[in-house]
Amino acid sequence: DIQMTQSPSSLSASVGDRVTITCRASQSISRYLHWIQQKPGKAPNLLIYAASSLQSGVPSRFSGSGSGTDFTLTISSLQPEDFATYYCQQSYSSPVTFGGGTKVEIK
Amino acid sequence: QVQLVQSGAEVKKPGASVKVSCKASGFIFVSYAMHWVRQAPGQRPEWMGWISAGNDNTKYSQKFQGRVTISRDTSASTAYLDLSSLRSDDTAVYYCARAGESNAFDIWGQGTQVTVSS
Repeated sequence: DIQMTQSPSSLSASVGDRVTITCRASQSISRYLHWIQQKPGKAPNLLIYAASSLQSGVPSRFSGSGSGTDFTLTISSLQPEDFATYYCQQSYSSPVTFGGGTKVEIK
Repeated sequence: QVQLVQSGAEVKKPGASVKVSCKASGFIFVSYAMHWVRQAPGQRPEWMGWISAGNDNTKYSQKFQGRVTISRDTSASTAYLDLSSLRSDDTAVYYCARAGESNAFDIWGQGTQVTVSS
């Protein structure tokens, strides 16, 4: 199975801050890397697919980059509604696997 | 409106089975693969398996092999997850999700809480 490792596991930031989350795969996954956001008690929501493509309806302050084994999610200017947990997910090979999550909290 | 609506919460005893449904609307159900993912409290999501579009082939996580069955009724635009021989550590929220571009999960159901307790 492909292991997905995210860092940091949590961070504290202020509204307006630039936030970067990284995700590393245990082997190359090309660009089959997706970022999802989850708020407490809610279903996950797709933000970025194929490493850098913005899902329809997602604000442009979210962006993704990377290929192979190293990937990054960036929030250019953190907004109050962005406080949530973020997961990376690979769909390069079965089984689909998820990172451990990054909880973004208010400073 | 594109959405997936799941069946309600379930409470089961150890050893029992559960069947969760996921009704699709707003898109051509038969054209999309469907996945099932579960999430225990405080844990990362865990992929269980999927059913392909068209020929309805299925593939399951090794962890659940032998206990899980995923099926779909295209006439009802509904996917199903059957999980048998339930244990307490199967207590989790179960989600269905549509496979979009690059097999990203672009639409998620609202989740179904399954609690296994004696």
